[in-house]
Formats: sequence, C-alpha cells, structure tokens
Amino acid sequence: AQKITQTQPGMFVQEKEAVTLDCTYDTSDPSYGLFWYKQPSSGEMIFLIYQGSYDQQNATEGRYSLNFQKARKSANLVISASQLGDSAMYFCAMSPSGGYQKVTFGIGTKLQVIP
Amino acid sequence: DAGVTQSPTHLIKTRGQQVTLRCSPKSGHDTVSWYQQALGQGPQFIFQYYEEEERQRGNFPDRFSGHQFPNYSSELNVNALLLGDSALYLCASSLEFGGRPGGIQYFGAGTRLSVL
Repeated sequence: AQKITQTQPGMFVQEKEAVTLDCTYDTSDPSYGLFWYKQPSSGEMIFLIYQGSYDQQNATEGRYSLNFQKARKSANLVISASQLGDSAMYFCAMSPSGGYQKVTFGIGTKLQVIP
Repeated sequence: DAGVTQSPTHLIKTRGQQVTLRCSPKSGHDTVSWYQQALGQGPQFIFQYYEEEERQRGNFPDRFSGHQFPNYSSELNVNALLLGDSALYLCASSLEFGGRPGGIQYFGAGTRLSVL
C-alpha cells in the first residue's frame, strides 16, 4: 500500500517570495512516480511536476521544483517567485510503476499568496 | 489539443436515484481512471479502465460501476445514491506505456454531484 502525508493544512506566502510545501510518502514498491497537482477553486486538478524514483536529478518545471530525498522519503514542492494565481490547494501524490497507474493522494495544503 | 473533458459539470439527484457521469480522455490517451473527492479531502481512487475492461478497483461498493468505449471515453455509473455520495468526481486519463514509472495522469474539471 502507498501512503502520502502532507502535514501543512494551510500556508501563507508573500507575493514574489519562495515557499516550500512538505510531502512525505511510504511505499514498498521499488519503483514509483511522485507528483504534485494544483487544484484551484474551480476544481480541476492541474498537473505540475513529476519525479521518478530512479531519477538522479531533482525535477524542475519553470517556477516549480521538487526537492526529492529518497532516503528520507520526502518530495517537497518548492514554488519560487510566488504569484497571486498560485493561491490554490496543492496535492502531493504517488503511483507505482507499471500499467496499474492508481494514484494515491495526500490530503492537500491550501496555499494563499498575499499581495 | 483537447484535454480531459467531463460532463455534466454539476448534477443534483435525490437518494436512491441513479447517475451517469461521462469522460472523454486527452487525445492519444488510452487509460481512464475515476476518483471521488469529498469536501476537504484528497481524491480517492474508484477504478481504472484500459482496453474496455476494469483492471483495478479501489475500496468502493458495487454500486459504483463503469464502462470504457472503443474510442477510450468512459462512463461512471452510481446506483442507489446515498447522501455520502455527494462529492466532486474526477476523471483522469493517461497513456498505458507513457514511458515514465508510475505514469502521469491528466485530470478533467470534474462533475460536482449533490445528493439530496
């Protein structure tokens, strides 16, 4: 079984500052993928970034980077230069390798960007 | 390139009724998964369809059933609705052999179901 833990129910960040959203995971699968999704109030789950368990480098996508520490089973999301449009729920998620791509989500962190 | 589309966007039903939700996957995707997201929670996996067959199922009762069509679109059916079925229902599509461990699922905007 896979488990995702997000311990920050809510976070505030000043516009243009960086913010880190925490995520730890637990799995017995030798190979897996880690994801972050953004969910605005409209409800759509927007894919942000992906990290494979065997990737040597931390993933980056524009202002998003994933701080992957495999030994500590953590996959924190770093958002640089926060914008007002970044205010949303953020979900950490994971999926095992192979065709059975069931995604397990955490409970989410609500991020609010302050002008 | 059209993303994942879901219909309807909102739905109101009464207890005991049946509902059908629809999903068209992202162009080129062949796998469809359905999730239920209760208020204040993360999405919970219902089931996944590939090659028109259900191949993995989460912890949901048989009242929840689905179908995948030859064009990869999918339906989620819920029978004998309960008040607790009120939630946002999300459809996600992916490519079976997407080249990345664990794949990447792309989600639609969801169908918000209210059961009165």
